[in-house]
Amino acid sequence: QVHLVESGGGVVEPGRSLRLSCVGSGFSLRYYGMNWIRQAPGKGLEWVAVVWDDGTNEHYADSVKGRFTISRDNSKNTLYLQMNSLRAEDTAVYYCATCDSLGDYFEFWGPGTLVTVSS
Amino acid sequence: DVVVTQTPLSLSVTPGQPASISCKSSQSLLHSDGKTHVYWYVQKAGQPPQLLIYDVSNRFSGVPARFSGSGSGTDFTLKISRVEAEDVGVYFCLQSIHSFTFGPGTKVDIK
Repeated sequence: QVHLVESGGGVVEPGRSLRLSCVGSGFSLRYYGMNWIRQAPGKGLEWVAVVWDDGTNEHYADSVKGRFTISRDNSKNTLYLQMNSLRAEDTAVYYCATCDSLGDYFEFWGPGTLVTVSS
Repeated sequence: DVVVTQTPLSLSVTPGQPASISCKSSQSLLHSDGKTHVYWYVQKAGQPPQLLIYDVSNRFSGVPARFSGSGSGTDFTLKISRVEAEDVGVYFCLQSIHSFTFGPGTKVDIK
């Protein structure tokens, strides 16, 4: 059974950095494209970034391009999101999610980790 | 950028009655490979979204038959044939032909 758990969230000041992790269990993460998706408090869903199964390709939402980096360590069954130059508008619950086999949608999700950017 | 809208944004339904949610895209979601990239999710309180429907009309594993999806081009619909109390939540559509964009969500509650 696919199980994902995010960690690394917390309160951080504007301009600072934070790294999120997402550990998979019950499956091998290496066979899946992986995503980060976020949801600001009381708001809708915003896709943030995707990394292909072999880690060779990444894509980002315009809102985070140049500030966030998605990466993966398949040997640790772990996905990461390095977030730099954080802004108040980055405050959200961050979910990791697997892609389906064709990379068309988000199949399995973790419970999320809350990032609050505030001074 | 593709803009995805949903109507209504809120829906109150009597148990046993049907419900319908519309999802409209600013661009066609039909890919050159013949597939239409529209998906439906429900997010229940305190939980991550769960996949309901993929490729417009296919129910994901374990999704009850009372959920159905339809549509083409830029207009899509999620229908619940007979709403049950457990269907309370926020329903989102997703397009993935031009990056990934979610609709704003439709909150469904029980009368």
